[in-house]
Amino acid sequence: DAGITQSPRHKVTETGTPVTLRCHQTENHRYMYWYRQDPGHGLRLIHYSYGVKDTDKGEVSDGYSVSRSKTEDFLLTLESATSSQTSVYFCAISEGPWRTDYEQYFGPGTRLTVT
Amino acid sequence: SQQGEEDPQALSIQEGENATMNCSYKTSINNLQWYRQNSGRGLVHLILIRSNEREKHSGRLRVTLDTSKKSSSLLITASRAADTASYFCATLGPPFSQGGSEKLVFGKGTKLTVNP
Repeated sequence: DAGITQSPRHKVTETGTPVTLRCHQTENHRYMYWYRQDPGHGLRLIHYSYGVKDTDKGEVSDGYSVSRSKTEDFLLTLESATSSQTSVYFCAISEGPWRTDYEQYFGPGTRLTVT
Repeated sequence: SQQGEEDPQALSIQEGENATMNCSYKTSINNLQWYRQNSGRGLVHLILIRSNEREKHSGRLRVTLDTSKKSSSLLITASRAADTASYFCATLGPPFSQGGSEKLVFGKGTKLTVNP
């Protein structure tokens, strides 16, 4: 998985609790992304980062926040988890910006269940 | 929206046969990429085709792009059981300066099953 790890790999939490997912890369890639994958929806972008402390929203950012204090780590936080946030979360990295021909490399995913 | 739509949603073939998956999209694109996802794993990049290219090959993979029809196809020749996976197309939109979103948008995928 191209030097990308995600933790935890599985988590069950209760509605209303805060949850933080971590993505760690050893590739020194500038761009990092968080997606969620749900049946019938494919992959949808939550937030992305184009450098340390530089982040922007994706198409489904409501209820999520992110932080990137180091090149290698990108954190996704659910401030108050809801059942609609039950999903599989993928982190991805890439070398370059959107408009160039850079592929994305994906982590193994985190399966989050909110009860 | 820019989102690609794969067709068919599911495909079951015998080992040795060719598998063809299609992707249609709605807006102009910068490039189109195909990814594979094995069950329970992350996506793996297969091939990228730019908007000014019509065909690209990589091993047993052949990708075509028809920008006039806003469609692409992925052909896997001489399929193997190990090709069993879900396949996603992803489109990269135009830059902001051209009214695009510059986002990589994924379709919902085609689930391919190759029977031994």
